[in-house]
Amino acid sequence: KQEVTQIPAALSVPEGENLVLNCSFTDSAIYNLQWFRQDPGKGLTSLLLIQSSQREQTSGRLNASLDKSSGRSTLYIAASQPGDSATYLCAVRPGPGANSKLTFGKGITLSVRP
Amino acid sequence: DTGVSQNPRHKITKRGQNVTFRCDPISEHNRLYWYRQTLGQGPEFLTYFQNEAQLEKSRLLSDRFSAERPKGSFSTLEIQRTEQGDSAMYLCASSSDRDIGNTIYFGEGSWLTVV
Repeated sequence: KQEVTQIPAALSVPEGENLVLNCSFTDSAIYNLQWFRQDPGKGLTSLLLIQSSQREQTSGRLNASLDKSSGRSTLYIAASQPGDSATYLCAVRPGPGANSKLTFGKGITLSVRP
Repeated sequence: DTGVSQNPRHKITKRGQNVTFRCDPISEHNRLYWYRQTLGQGPEFLTYFQNEAQLEKSRLLSDRFSAERPKGSFSTLEIQRTEQGDSAMYLCASSSDRDIGNTIYFGEGSWLTVV
């Protein structure tokens, strides 16, 4: 059974700091990995998706990397801003076919202090 | 493209009552998913549709839960005889096979409180 772990559960940093959020998964046979952002009481916003054949993806100040063999992904946030405060979840997917549900970590709650 | 839409956003119901949530996926997305999320946890998979066919159901989906997607467009999730343990946010998501990465897009969720 796939298990996804995100440690620490919460993180507080001063504005402007570059930071890395970690995600680990137990079964390396994944199809892709997706990072999401969730604001309190809201749904999930997709940030980045990395296919199993890719090493990284970038969008603006965000960069996600994937090391499938070691079961790890990182989300790098450059020059953090208070508006980045949210919970960040990673999720892995076993395949593209019918049985392709996402398995999520519990998320990392980020607080960026002004 | 208006995104995944869910209604109602919030529902408070008494234990034992039935509730129904509706999800309108992104237009022309053939895949639709339901997840459940409780405080401090990541979303947990409930069920999945490809067009109108329900292809997978989680063991979390007890006999009191039923989901439909009759015309392959919107979907409903009904919970019968609600229990306090059903209190959670119910998230709907959709994706398209035309998207190479098959990115999954989530709605804003429907909060259920059973009192």
